[in-house]
Amino acid sequence: GQQVMQIPQYQHVQEGEDFTTYCNSSTTLSNIQWYKQRPGGHPVFLIQLVKSGEVKKQKRLTFQFGEAKKNSSLHITATQTTDVGTYVCAGIDFGNEKLTFGTGTRLTIIP
Amino acid sequence: ETGVTQTPRHLVMGMTNKKSLKCEQHLGHNAMYWYKQSAKKPLELMFVYSLEERVENNSVPSRFSPECPNSSHLFLHLHTLQPEDSALYLCASSQERVNWGSYEQYFGPGTRLTVT
Repeated sequence: GQQVMQIPQYQHVQEGEDFTTYCNSSTTLSNIQWYKQRPGGHPVFLIQLVKSGEVKKQKRLTFQFGEAKKNSSLHITATQTTDVGTYVCAGIDFGNEKLTFGTGTRLTIIP
Repeated sequence: ETGVTQTPRHLVMGMTNKKSLKCEQHLGHNAMYWYKQSAKKPLELMFVYSLEERVENNSVPSRFSPECPNSSHLFLHLHTLQPEDSALYLCASSQERVNWGSYEQYFGPGTRLTVT
């Protein structure tokens, strides 16, 4: 079955440093979603990417969808303490409605 | 955020107990979901309901029994659970049923379940 892996599993950065998490699927995806889960909280939708090679920005966050639609990345510029949490990607196989969630990358910020 | 609510927030139950988790969405969505979140594992989809009809059942043990009486309410009935069933159970909703994975999921706060 489809697998969605994320690296790294954990990332500790100094406040102000950049952060990147990578999402890799074992199969080609029709779209990919990103969620953020704060410690003790629930996943909150951030964005969806649909097109091959698509790049979207939300303030300091940049999301990319790979040309082959098998991988994606989330980059945060100049991290802030409010960025703490687990960033999770979720993708859908072509021809399959099911959303498969990745393993997540937990980001901690050192003030 | 009060779009999707879940009760109770915390539940401790013995293996012989019967309990129910409740979820309510106030967003007018057509699809609702149950997910299981265990430590160090990705979110696992358990059930999908669309317009009160179950459209997905991911080989979940029969000790978990979902119920969707209307498009705003979803229940998860629990009986004779095992300690490994201890986890965070999240309810979610999304706008449409067709191609449901293409729509953003709105999650509730979850029920932290401990089976003793």
